[in-house]
Amino acid sequence: DVKVTQSSRYLVKRTGEKVFLECVQDMDHENMFWYRQDPGLGLRLIYFSYDVKMKEKGDIPEGYSVSREKKERFSLILESASTNQTSMYLCATEGSGNTIYFGEGSWLTVV
Amino acid sequence: DAKTTQPPSMDCAEGRAANLPCNHSTISGNEYVYWYRQIHSQGPQYIIHGLKNNETNEMASLIITEDRKSSTLILPHATLRDTAVYYCLQGGNKLVFGAGTILRVKS
Repeated sequence: DVKVTQSSRYLVKRTGEKVFLECVQDMDHENMFWYRQDPGLGLRLIYFSYDVKMKEKGDIPEGYSVSREKKERFSLILESASTNQTSMYLCATEGSGNTIYFGEGSWLTVV
Repeated sequence: DAKTTQPPSMDCAEGRAANLPCNHSTISGNEYVYWYRQIHSQGPQYIIHGLKNNETNEMASLIITEDRKSSTLILPHATLRDTAVYYCLQGGNKLVFGAGTILRVKS
């Protein structure tokens, strides 16, 4: 089975803090994604990566950056957290047939 | 914007088949249809996908119409644990999730 692990399930951070959300996959997949999910807005794509050190902006990249130094790890960075970034963040990896496998999600609250 | 249309909610009796419809009238010839579900507070879970032919796996069956403009996900014997939001998607690696269908399985 594909395993996508998000290191933190629940976080509470203060406005202005730098936040790192880590994601690790064990299937040697090249493509990885970060989404956020908010009530009434569905899942929205923040960034994705097709290979190590490569990144592409998704639909809502503002206020976020990413890092992919190793194939199995894709990190989402909030340089200066704001309250409107309170959300559930989902990491995903892409398998054969464009099938997306998601992690369990990270619930971030910015106060 | 989501490219598929699903009913907002459905109810199903436990042990009965749950049939979830989806319209994807703008689907192109090489785009697959994907189904995912999401149980509260968890990440979406892949269920099944197909291109033209009907598909079956250990979780569900997928029936795609001949014109490919709609499909139906079938959970043959729904259980209470199948209560979730079910998403139907079309396309490749930049999948767009709409609002989905809330399926409530009732005893």
